[in-house]
Amino acid sequence: AQSVAQPEDQVNVAEGNPLTVKCTYSVSGNPYLFWYVQYPNRGLQFLLKYITGDNLVKGSYGFEAEFNKSQTSFHLKKPSALVSDSALYFCAVRDMNSGGYQKVTFGTGTKLQVIP
Amino acid sequence: KAGVTQTPRYLIKTRGQQVTLSCSPISGHRSVSWYQQTPGQGLQFLFEYFSETQRNKGNFPGRFSGRQFSNSRSEMNVSTLELGDSALYLCASSLAFGASGVQETQYFGPGTRLLVL
Repeated sequence: AQSVAQPEDQVNVAEGNPLTVKCTYSVSGNPYLFWYVQYPNRGLQFLLKYITGDNLVKGSYGFEAEFNKSQTSFHLKKPSALVSDSALYFCAVRDMNSGGYQKVTFGTGTKLQVIP
Repeated sequence: KAGVTQTPRYLIKTRGQQVTLSCSPISGHRSVSWYQQTPGQGLQFLFEYFSETQRNKGNFPGRFSGRQFSNSRSEMNVSTLELGDSALYLCASSLAFGASGVQETQYFGPGTRLLVL
């Protein structure tokens, strides 16, 4: 069955330090992968997606994610965390080869807390 | 340019009733997607529309339905409401679908918070 795992409910990182939010997935076919961020007063926003091509995907606000097919992972990274990055982050996978309707599955979310 | 608007923002219904939620995409956007967010089930994909055609749907019962109009505005309807339908319903619009069959960058509305009593 298709699934997305975000193994950490919360990640704490000091401002200025690099951050990583982990995501692993399981699909029967080839995946499309997404990251979204939900700020308390600004709603849900799309950050980035991996469709094909370069395994390192760059997105909004200085975030990037690396697709690793062998480890079935799509971790979100940023070289230097800002307090304003504190939010809830969701990873999602879409099975491009599912035929007919393409199944879309979200992870449970990881709360990122950047400490000043 | 105005963002994605959703109406109403808040709604209280009772079990057994039906509800219709509306989403107006960003001007020029032709794709609309719907999502449900609950504390228990998290984020779940409901539907995806492009040019009045449903292109994808999630694993929800037939009580959940949607449509898209010629002006790209979309509505979703939930009939015979259950307590578990209480949720934040999010709509997102995007310009179109890329060659991959996945939407271009999505822009989300503020959501409609539905409470079923």
